Amino acid sequence: SQQGEEDPQALSIQEGENATMNCSYKTSINNLQWYRQNSGRGLVHLILIRSNEREKHSGRLRVTLDTSKKSSSLLITASRAADTASYFCATDVDTGNQFYFGTGTSLTVIP
Amino acid sequence: EAQVTQNPRYLITVTGKKLTVTCSQNMNHEYMSWYRQDPGLGLRQIYYSMNVEVTDKGDVPEGYKVSRKEKRNFPLILESPSPNQTSLYFCASSLTNDYEQYFGPGTRLTVT
Repeated sequence: SQQGEEDPQALSIQEGENATMNCSYKTSINNLQWYRQNSGRGLVHLILIRSNEREKHSGRLRVTLDTSKKSSSLLITASRAADTASYFCATDVDTGNQFYFGTGTSLTVIP
Repeated sequence: EAQVTQNPRYLITVTGKKLTVTCSQNMNHEYMSWYRQDPGLGLRQIYYSMNVEVTDKGDVPEGYKVSRKEKRNFPLILESPSPNQTSLYFCASSLTNDYEQYFGPGTRLTVT
């Protein structure tokens, strides 16, 4: 069963614009993490937000978490061509030690 | 340099021929995990380990085995590979399951 689902599946924007992607999950979590993957390579951790946090920033990244709606969003501001990648959310459910990844959002930033 | 290494990076094998994919981390992490990534399905957890000699099934454990005899190593064993195990495999580690995971570069496995 898939715990996390990202939306949209694909997103194409112009360089300099903001990109927003969303993640919804099904059960209570300890934390939610966002990762980036460049074409078939290993995933790189971007940001971790715990269940008692509502917003977190890291450079051009802003993550929000709404546990009442079981959803999170990742905002990338002033996007660059180098941000072109797939973005995944991952949840650590509070009833166990497993991680669940979503199917990802494919972001294309056009120079 | 802190890293997770996997070997081999690419492997083509035939149905039924046992294989092992190695994973090693040099960060003294307690939590290690194996994932497979298939188009349209994202990453799915196969097995994870909370610490030495402690392993547990993830979402898709069928057809796989793991062991954690040392903290740094977490090999993935396919006793009798089948074509439906053709996939991109990632090993990952973290301090505990409450922290960010560090991923290896991936192993692309093809079973014919």
